[in-house]
Amino acid sequence: GAGVSQSPSNKVTEKGKDVELRCDPISGHTALYWYRQSLGQGLEFLIYFQGNSAPDKSGLPSDRFSAERTGGSVSTLTIQRTQQEDSAVYLCASSLGRSNTEAFFGQGTRLTVV
Amino acid sequence: AQSVTQLDSQVPVFEEAPVELRCNYSSSVSVYLFWYVQYPNQGLQLLLKYLSGSTLVKGINGFEAEFNKSQTSFHLRKPSVHISDTAEYFCAVIIFNNAGNMLTFGGGTRLMVKP
Repeated sequence: GAGVSQSPSNKVTEKGKDVELRCDPISGHTALYWYRQSLGQGLEFLIYFQGNSAPDKSGLPSDRFSAERTGGSVSTLTIQRTQQEDSAVYLCASSLGRSNTEAFFGQGTRLTVV
Repeated sequence: AQSVTQLDSQVPVFEEAPVELRCNYSSSVSVYLFWYVQYPNQGLQLLLKYLSGSTLVKGINGFEAEFNKSQTSFHLRKPSVHISDTAEYFCAVIIFNNAGNMLTFGGGTRLMVKP
């Protein structure tokens, strides 16, 4: 597609369940970012991929959070044993990398843990 | 280490008044600077960016920002705001290192334009 695509757009899950969020970056973009935006809050950095590797995982809030990227393209963010404080909008962005630094954002996945 | 600070979490302003949203960054090396805007119930979109060259950068919707290296600032300005400018504005910095590029955001400033 023409832009960054995230799925699902909305997810309601029960506390304690695992969820998987998907991000399809723009084709050819080597850099991929995950951020979390809680209600009324700013953008919290979670993890950054350059290709398939993640040089910076410092933002993952706990060991319940993990992310992977395969084929230098699709990325999945997995949250295990979800808690109510995990409720937020999870945003994915991609950019071309060294030669071009503009990041394009997806519409986000709104996660609600009940 | 790098960080981005947006000094004002909320800025209320009347329509047609000028506005400045402040952004300061900390970095020991050269940076690229961005402003993103998030309109209510929408995704983030790029407003403007500074990569090199002229320190005064013009963006969409009449916004501009000035890179000040000595003050490590990248404040966003608009001479006359409209109701439609009501949104959340995020300042961001990117720094190149051996691992690639890393985009870090400030906490955001909510611009509230009142009639």
